[in-house]
Amino acid sequence: AQSVTQLDSQVPVFEEAPVELRCNYSSSVSVYLFWYVQYPNQGLQLLLKYLSGSTLVKGINGFEAEFNKSQTSFHLRKPSVHISDTAEYFCAVSRTGGGNKLTFGTGTQLKVEL
Amino acid sequence: EPEVTQTPSHQVTQMGQEVILRCVPISNHLYFYWYRQILGQKVEFLVSFYNNEISEKSEIFDDQFSVERPDGSNFTLKIRSTKLEDSAMYFCASSGTLSSYEQYFGPGTRLTVT
Repeated sequence: AQSVTQLDSQVPVFEEAPVELRCNYSSSVSVYLFWYVQYPNQGLQLLLKYLSGSTLVKGINGFEAEFNKSQTSFHLRKPSVHISDTAEYFCAVSRTGGGNKLTFGTGTQLKVEL
Repeated sequence: EPEVTQTPSHQVTQMGQEVILRCVPISNHLYFYWYRQILGQKVEFLVSFYNNEISEKSEIFDDQFSVERPDGSNFTLKIRSTKLEDSAMYFCASSGTLSSYEQYFGPGTRLTVT
């Protein structure tokens, strides 16, 4: 079984500041890793994914994440946030291969302030 | 851009009633999923569906739940006798070919059981 830990439930940050949202996972098998964003009253939108290859992955809206196998982490970063980045961010993991369920973390609420 | 759609956006029902939540996955996708998110909690996997049968289900997905793909486009989740604790946002998702592992989520159906 897989599990995901997002230690920060809320992260306040000022606009144009950098941000890092932390994600750690646990699994006894190889996994794929994902970050999803949920804007208020909307569904989940994929930000980025790690399947294999380069450990630094770039996603939409200027976000990037780095897969660290030894630390079982997949932290999400953005060098300069905007007000519009205010949302809930979910880290998720699945077993490798097609058609496997996603296991989500509890989410991190990013609040960008002026 | 293709997207997953869900109807209705909000469903209110009385305890003990049957509800059917509907989803139209992306047309060439092979795998279909239902997740739910109780208010303030993380997104939880319910069931996955492939080749016209359930491929995996969670402990939440008991005999009160069923899924069906009645035609080539719709994917439904039925709850036979709703309980208060079934109140949640229900998300449908689909994923595509065997080499594409990202799941695309619909906007969700908010189910309120009174």
